[in-house]
Amino acid sequence: DAKTTQPPSMDCAEGRAANLPCNHSTISGNEYVYWYRQIHSQGPQYIIHGLKNNETNEMASLIITEDRKSSTLILPHATLRDTAVYYCIVALNSGGSNYKLTFGKGTLLTVNP
Amino acid sequence: DTAVSQTPKYLVTQMGNDKSIKCEQNLGHDTMYWYKQDSKKFLKIMFSYNNKELIINETVPNRFSPKSPDKAHLNLHINSLELGDSAVYFCASSHPVLSGNTIYFGEGSWLTVV
Repeated sequence: DAKTTQPPSMDCAEGRAANLPCNHSTISGNEYVYWYRQIHSQGPQYIIHGLKNNETNEMASLIITEDRKSSTLILPHATLRDTAVYYCIVALNSGGSNYKLTFGKGTLLTVNP
Repeated sequence: DTAVSQTPKYLVTQMGNDKSIKCEQNLGHDTMYWYKQDSKKFLKIMFSYNNKELIINETVPNRFSPKSPDKAHLNLHINSLELGDSAVYFCASSHPVLSGNTIYFGEGSWLTVV
């Protein structure tokens, strides 16, 4: 799996958009970009994933650059409950039985009142 | 109706003991995992099972023995516990179609070895 680089921490004001960057310059053509988050003392939670097109769901938007070497997770209106560690992961989505996700250090997003 | 449930949530035990953590998922997934999160917060995969068959074993000591009686359950048994086994253990599950390979995690089991 390709490695990812994320800033160790970021701050965001409540109600503002939180933009979390991720570099994945060695991503291969068939690898997806996944975002998960882990709120303190809870299990990781899936947010969104994409291959090359931008994606949006009820939680967030994912913007992937045209060369696919970086991406940005956008939380449009951050709340205090969005304070968590956010993990950017690249992995195959082949559906094979040896599918796994390899977590890095992630970005600790702190949403301030 | 917790999708992936683990028991116990907290476990404090002495070195040398043998303990088990149970995991059940009611999502109909066919792949289950155990992840370990150590004190430095790194989350690492330990095992994965697909339809009761061991698929991934990430060089975990053989004191750790996962057992999958059916595809909805993946239990983790740990023999001769050591101080370094203290961590949070997360069970998870996925399915290529039902979940689009999204991995659903349980709430974790906090193991403290004293």
